[in-house]
Amino acid sequence: NAGVTQTPKFQVLKTGQSMTLQCAQDMNHEYMSWYRQDPGMGLRLIHYSVGAGITDQGEVPNGYNVSRSTTEDFPLRLLSAAPSQTSVYFCASSPTGWSTEAFFGQGTRLTVV
Amino acid sequence: KNEVEQSPQNLTAQEGEFITINCSYSVGISALHWLQQHPGGGIVSLFMLSSGKKKHGRLIATINIQEKHSSLHITASHPRDSAVYICAVLSGSARQLTFGSGTQLTVLP
Repeated sequence: NAGVTQTPKFQVLKTGQSMTLQCAQDMNHEYMSWYRQDPGMGLRLIHYSVGAGITDQGEVPNGYNVSRSTTEDFPLRLLSAAPSQTSVYFCASSPTGWSTEAFFGQGTRLTVV
Repeated sequence: KNEVEQSPQNLTAQEGEFITINCSYSVGISALHWLQQHPGGGIVSLFMLSSGKKKHGRLIATINIQEKHSSLHITASHPRDSAVYICAVLSGSARQLTFGSGTQLTVLP
């Protein structure tokens, strides 16, 4: 049981480039979320999904897109990278909307230069 | 003011000491998570609480819903317990997690 798998683990982008952070879970969880973690701040919600075909914006959605075509996958797209998007990104999943367990990926450390 | 406040922000202890990390929140919640993050690593869920107390090995988590407060205790601390401990609460109509900024724990041998 792999849990939540994020790729890549590290990435350096130039300003203006686009890329997709991958997130996959093999636990058949309906709820998935993307967060960013910045120094001195708690994790902040970027986008979330409550099931395949359903996504919504979180606290800091600007500059990011998501889609949920399958239960397993929830990719995060950076449309035109900016230095302000330098952060550590975490994907997480839960079977019941975070009222039971929460499972997190290993994180993606993104640097935009 | 943040919805979720953790204290202390940084904590250094000697091996074997009893450790307490606190989490206070300002909104009504339906669940509270304690998470652990090792340096350069991912985030691991330690506990989910909606009431009372839970224990797993040397870790104990308690929550007081009326006082809007939770504590994470580590008994007989060990250097491998060195990590960032994060409190997260489930609240709001969107039913999403709100996170504290974390407590950096360092246990010295």
